[in-house]
Amino acid sequence: AQKVTQAQTEISVVEKEDVTLDCVYETRDTTYYLFWYKQPPSGELVFLIRRNSFDEQNEISGRYSWNFQKSTSSFNFTITASQVVDSAVYFCALKNSGTYKYIFGTGTRLKVLA
Amino acid sequence: NAGVTQTPKFRVLKTGQSMTLLCAQDMNHEYMYWYRQDPGMGLRLIHYSVGEGTTAKGEVPDGYNVSRLKKQNFLLGLESAAPSQTSVYFCASTDGASLAQYFGPGTRLTVL
Repeated sequence: AQKVTQAQTEISVVEKEDVTLDCVYETRDTTYYLFWYKQPPSGELVFLIRRNSFDEQNEISGRYSWNFQKSTSSFNFTITASQVVDSAVYFCALKNSGTYKYIFGTGTRLKVLA
Repeated sequence: NAGVTQTPKFRVLKTGQSMTLLCAQDMNHEYMYWYRQDPGMGLRLIHYSVGEGTTAKGEVPDGYNVSRLKKQNFLLGLESAAPSQTSVYFCASTDGASLAQYFGPGTRLTVL
């Protein structure tokens, strides 16, 4: 079975704090892909990153970083020095190699307070 | 380059009415998807299409039908709307190389 769990429903931080959004996934496939999307208050969904199951290198993009650990089936997302513009709902998603379907977590609402 | 567009943006229906949501993409993507987003439930897949003329059921297909007569368009139909179909509907298309999904702006549907 495929499943994505985002246990944190809502997180509030003060601007400039670091924050980590957790994502735990379940899959029996050995080849799969993990994604993060951002949904700001305006409502559109924006693709942030894709990670392949065979590439466990962590990635950094500006203030954003992603930590992929197959041993714990986690793909966590850290925002360093958070800003008010980071306030959004963030979704983690999983796609197995042999399917066209994407499985989304229930999302984490991040509120960054000025 | 408009990306993915959805029509309409908002709609209010009465129970039993029918309607069609239109999704169009100009990126020449093969794969297209319809999701619904409800509070606390994330995005759930309704139907998807892997090419012109093909459709397949997703996680929550009941009460919906779809058609993909042209590669750039993916239509979602509600034959007899029910209050349980009140939701925000998102269309997406997928870049086969990056596997990234590109989403439309969403359609907010209310069924009274």
